[in-house]
Amino acid sequence: GAGVSQSPSNKVTEKGKDVELRCDPISGHTALYWYRQSLGQGLEFLIYFQGNSAPDKSGLPSDRFSAERTGGSVSTLTIQRTQQEDSAVYLCASSRGLAEDEQFFGPGTRLTVL
Amino acid sequence: QKEVEQNSGPLSVPEGAIASLNCTYSDRGSQSFFWYRQYSGKSPELIMFIYSNGDKEDGRFTAQLNKASQYVSLLIRDSQPSDSATYLCAVTPAGAGTALIFGKGTTLSVSS
Repeated sequence: GAGVSQSPSNKVTEKGKDVELRCDPISGHTALYWYRQSLGQGLEFLIYFQGNSAPDKSGLPSDRFSAERTGGSVSTLTIQRTQQEDSAVYLCASSRGLAEDEQFFGPGTRLTVL
Repeated sequence: QKEVEQNSGPLSVPEGAIASLNCTYSDRGSQSFFWYRQYSGKSPELIMFIYSNGDKEDGRFTAQLNKASQYVSLLIRDSQPSDSATYLCAVTPAGAGTALIFGKGTTLSVSS
């Protein structure tokens, strides 16, 4: 596709449920990033994938969060046993993987945990 | 803890004025520096990047980097109401690959 796509655009779930968020990066981009943005806050780095290297998971806030990237393309962010503080917009971005490259952001998934 | 600090604002300027946005970062080894613009309810979009000391100009935008003082700024000349948005400063820390550390953003309001 022309840009980064994410699904679903909105997700409402109950506390304690698991959720899966999907990101489809720009074709050919080797780097994929997950960030989250809470209301009125900046973007918080979660995890990033670069080619076939082991992902950098240093930003994941707890072991309830995990992500995988299959075939070097689509990525899924999974949040287990969701908590109300997980409510945020989850943004995915992709780039060619060089330090000076622009990261192109998807439209985000707004997660609301009741 | 690698941090990027910005004044949250709001920064209010009249149309046609120069808007000056500032950002400081804690990791002296940071490599690349970006300014993203984010309209309310939208995703961030890149305005400029800079990785060498000095100024970089692109149209009405000028990014300034001073690694010794660990700050980066963005000047917007001839500000327009359409520039009203939140501006996010982002930094690639040393040893972090290409993941970005973002500041919380400065809200700019340009009045006509």
